[in-house]
Amino acid sequence: DAKTTQPPSMDCAEGRAANLPCNHSTISGNEYVYWYRQIHSQGPQYIIHGLKNNETNEMASLIITEDRKSSTLILPHATLRDTAVYYCIVRVYNQAGTALIFGKGTTLSVSS
Amino acid sequence: NAGVTQTPKFQVLKTGQSMTLQCAQDMNHEYMSWYRQDPGMGLRLIHYSVGAGITDQGEVPNGYNVSRSTTEDFPLRLLSAAPSQTSVYFCASSKRAFGTDTQYFGPGTRLTVL
Repeated sequence: DAKTTQPPSMDCAEGRAANLPCNHSTISGNEYVYWYRQIHSQGPQYIIHGLKNNETNEMASLIITEDRKSSTLILPHATLRDTAVYYCIVRVYNQAGTALIFGKGTTLSVSS
Repeated sequence: NAGVTQTPKFQVLKTGQSMTLQCAQDMNHEYMSWYRQDPGMGLRLIHYSVGAGITDQGEVPNGYNVSRSTTEDFPLRLLSAAPSQTSVYFCASSKRAFGTDTQYFGPGTRLTVL
């Protein structure tokens, strides 16, 4: 159970902001929201994570709603190299311990 | 730092053959894991390790064995390959427990079982 819902695909024009939504309505109070991306079947790459507050780093911004049931990843100025599959992940505890459970993600296509 | 390295990059096996996928990291990370990714799917956790000598099963462990004799290496063994194990395999490592720290992924091994 990925515990997250993302649109299967999105398009964005180069230079514009890309806003990728994620629903995680069953998130627990101590679970973080992580975003990773995978470019052309390479190994996934960490982007950003957050718990309650909005977060920003050199790659992106993460906006988490006050009820924590959804979040948005923002790439402020998308480039062609940002074309990738973006995964929204909620840390989950299971019988085997902590694990990242990946869903199918959102395929972002950036075009010129 | 080389980060997380995986060998081989590509491999073709016949049903019933055995092989070992190699994974190594030079970041002194305690936590390592193996994922598989099938076409159009996200990654699924196979096995993981929280330190040398300690391993445990993930979501899809059947058909795979692991061991962790050193901090640096975490090989994945297929004892009797099956076509259902055709997939891309990713190794990852992190300094702290999964989900509490960022994971660094290797470039992947693309395995085909005929």
